[in-house]
Amino acid sequence: QVQLVQSGAEVKGPGASVKVSCKASGYSFTTYGFSWVRQAPGHGLEWMGWISPKNGNTKYAQKVQDRVTMTTDTSTSTVYMELRSLRSDDTALYYCARENGGAIIYFDYWGQGSLVTVSS
Amino acid sequence: DIQMTQSPSSLSASVGDRVTITCRASQSISRYLNWYQERPGKAPKLLIYVASVLQSGVPSRFSGSGSGTDFSLTISSLQPEDFATYYCQQTYGIPRTFGQGTKLEIK
Repeated sequence: QVQLVQSGAEVKGPGASVKVSCKASGYSFTTYGFSWVRQAPGHGLEWMGWISPKNGNTKYAQKVQDRVTMTTDTSTSTVYMELRSLRSDDTALYYCARENGGAIIYFDYWGQGSLVTVSS
Repeated sequence: DIQMTQSPSSLSASVGDRVTITCRASQSISRYLNWYQERPGKAPKLLIYVASVLQSGVPSRFSGSGSGTDFSLTISSLQPEDFATYYCQQTYGIPRTFGQGTKLEIK
């Protein structure tokens, strides 16, 4: 069965970087893209960007594009999201989601979420 | 960016009720609209994609409709496990924006 297992919670200081991982299993890794979505406490869902494991192509939301890098490791079927220059408003639950692509796009499987807390 | 606006932001209803949540896009998105359910402490779950297609395993009491800028999610007879927050999402353009969510609470 399809599973996305994310790395654990992190606490970082302002200005630091964090790298969250998402390990996929149960299907052919390069067949589907991944999106990263975050949810700040008490807020809704915010799309951060997308990566294709097939060719490494990425698309980022303008809000974070200067601070985020998404990568994949096909040898371990793992996707990574690194966010730099962390601020307090980056405190959130970060999700990876498998993106069923092509003309019709939806997020059919989600990781369990990784809590990132930015605090001095 | 395409803005997605859901209404209402919160809704109180009883088990067995029929409820409808609406989602409006700031520009036409054809039918590229998905609905997700988020229960407390759980990751979002896909319910409906391309406006009206039920994801495998989702109960038939959930249905979606709409095209262009106006969409709706209907739950025909609320069950206890349906009390959650619901989000619409457009995938017509980048960024793939979500609505602000509708919290469905027990009356």
